[in-house]
Amino acid sequence: DGGITQSPKYLFRKEGQNVTLSCEQNLNHDAMYWYRQDPGQGLRLIYYSQIVNDFQKGDIAEGYSVSREKKESFPLTVTSAQKNPTAFYLCASTSRTSGMGTGELFFGEGSRLTVL
Amino acid sequence: GQQVMQIPQYQHVQEGEDFTTYCNSSTTLSNIQWYKQRPGGHPVFLIQLVKSGEVKKQKRLTFQFGEAKKNSSLHITATQTTDVGTYFCAGPQAGGYQKVTFGTGTKLQVIP
Repeated sequence: DGGITQSPKYLFRKEGQNVTLSCEQNLNHDAMYWYRQDPGQGLRLIYYSQIVNDFQKGDIAEGYSVSREKKESFPLTVTSAQKNPTAFYLCASTSRTSGMGTGELFFGEGSRLTVL
Repeated sequence: GQQVMQIPQYQHVQEGEDFTTYCNSSTTLSNIQWYKQRPGGHPVFLIQLVKSGEVKKQKRLTFQFGEAKKNSSLHITATQTTDVGTYFCAGPQAGGYQKVTFGTGTKLQVIP
């Protein structure tokens, strides 16, 4: 089945450690996104990528890094510079459309990161 | 930068009552999308509106896109317990169609 796979689902990390969250899609979508969600809060955009080897900062990129070496993969690294990394991280993808903006976002099931 | 606000933040209704959430963007949107997130789950796409003044219906749900393409609303008629969740609007800024900003969300609780 086509979809987006995020791993791991749950992750615990000690302070000062970097951690990488995986996001893979087999929907042949060009655009991919990373959002952060805190309890009872909305989704805030961390990074997004429109095409392979290209990505842009979202609204809260500090302390995060990404790469887009393959169309189907968009990993997110939460670095030790991120001061409050405990959160629910959601990856999404969409096909590119012109004139009408983006198509619907398809989300993975999320990765819940806890910093101990 | 672009900000998308939703009101109310929370809403508790008796089963059978109607519910409305409002979405307001600080900038003009290319389109508006609505998502529903069940507790513990991920957002699931409901609908997309593209045209100024557009109205779409899905069974008990009615979606509107404002004339200025800066606001939108979702109305649920006769709520059911299955409607419980958080409803988000989302949209790319006009001209920046790949950056999708989500609204702050409205959490709906339906009391049986």
